[in-house]
Amino acid sequence: AQKVTQAQTEISVVEKEDVTLDCVYETRDTTYYLFWYKQPPSGELVFLIRRNSFDEQNEISGRYSWNFQKSTSSFNFTITASQVVDSAVYFCALMFSTSGTYKYIFGTGTRLKVLA
Amino acid sequence: NAGVMQNPRHLVRRRGQEARLRCSPMKGHSHVYWYRQLPEEGLKFMVYLQKENIIDESGMPKERFSAEFPKEGPSILRIQQVVRGDSAAYFCASSPPGLANRADTQYFGPGTRLTVL
Repeated sequence: AQKVTQAQTEISVVEKEDVTLDCVYETRDTTYYLFWYKQPPSGELVFLIRRNSFDEQNEISGRYSWNFQKSTSSFNFTITASQVVDSAVYFCALMFSTSGTYKYIFGTGTRLKVLA
Repeated sequence: NAGVMQNPRHLVRRRGQEARLRCSPMKGHSHVYWYRQLPEEGLKFMVYLQKENIIDESGMPKERFSAEFPKEGPSILRIQQVVRGDSAAYFCASSPPGLANRADTQYFGPGTRLTVL
């Protein structure tokens, strides 16, 4: 069965601290895709990143970085020097193939509060 | 470059009424997906449509819920005889045209928040 676990329900940090959001996934597929989305207080879902299962290279985009480790089935997200605008709910998602189509399964999200 | 559009953003219905949620996919996209987000939970897949075709409705409740994506116009998620448990945020996502078995990134709309009184 496919599953995404975000064990951290809520994290609070002070501005400028670094913070890591954990994501652990389960799948038997050899080909799959992992995503992070941001849901700010306004409610929309903003796409942040996509990784495929064959590419374990870590990625950095500005203050954001992602660490994909197949050995531990994890795809963690780090925000460096956090800012108040980073306050949001962050969702990790797994895309897998089922019955000829691809489907997303989302984790329950981690609410990040960055305090000024 | 308009993103995925959903309307209304907020919808209030009384128990027993019908709710109609609309979704216009991103320009050039022809695949539409509907998800439901209950309070404090992640998104749960409901249905996947292409123009005039339901590809996968495995996440749709068996009764009262239906979805369509006509040749012209937006995709519609319809909930008949709403109950309080239908209160949730409903998100639409779209992806580019192509075969249904492609692993395309989905881009989400702002959601419709349905409140059933």
